[in-house]
Amino acid sequence: EPEVTQTPSHQVTQMGQEVILRCVPISNHLYFYWYRQILGQKVEFLVSFYNNEISEKSEIFDDQFSVERPDGSNFTLKIRSTKLEDSAMYFCASEGTGPNTEAFFGQGTRLTVV
Amino acid sequence: AQSVTQLDSHVSVSEGTPVLLRCNYSSSYSPSLFWYVQHPNKGLQLLLKYTSAATLVKGINGFEAEFKKSETSFHLTKPSAHMSDAAEYFCVVGNNFNKFYFGSGTKLNVKP
Repeated sequence: EPEVTQTPSHQVTQMGQEVILRCVPISNHLYFYWYRQILGQKVEFLVSFYNNEISEKSEIFDDQFSVERPDGSNFTLKIRSTKLEDSAMYFCASEGTGPNTEAFFGQGTRLTVV
Repeated sequence: AQSVTQLDSHVSVSEGTPVLLRCNYSSSYSPSLFWYVQHPNKGLQLLLKYTSAATLVKGINGFEAEFKKSETSFHLTKPSAHMSDAAEYFCVVGNNFNKFYFGSGTKLNVKP
């Protein structure tokens, strides 16, 4: 069963520090996503990525966020200067092409900003 | 605009009894609808999806959901709950290759 893997599973960081959340999508997938879930709230869309560029982003995805596919396998989310309110579970997802494709989600990275 | 409302934040059933998790959606065009399940410390797993083919959709682990356009509903059901079904379930509306809108989730508790 193919799967999306995310590392680390839990990251604690001090406010103002930069963090990079890493994701390894399924190898033949072309669409990539980041979502987040603040504790007690809904899962929210952050950004979608296709063909090496952002295809859509939400209002949450401001200048402190960036995504990258540095080496053709990893897909990273960088938060430049973390704030307390960035504490959340971050989910990566990838999706293939074709009519019967589905999005596969990773197990999430829990980010705690202190 | 698209949105999803999951009507129950918690549902508790006894093992062997039916499960009903309710979902209503709002979409300005013909939606794709999904149910995902999340077990503790696991990722989101697709249970089933509706993409304008049959209105009754069968998924994994005995779950199914019925798309009812007149009621804008996509409730998830299972005839007989199993202890391993205890998890959080998310109703999602969206289209492939575009963003998904998640419901707030329903935690299913299964009592022995």
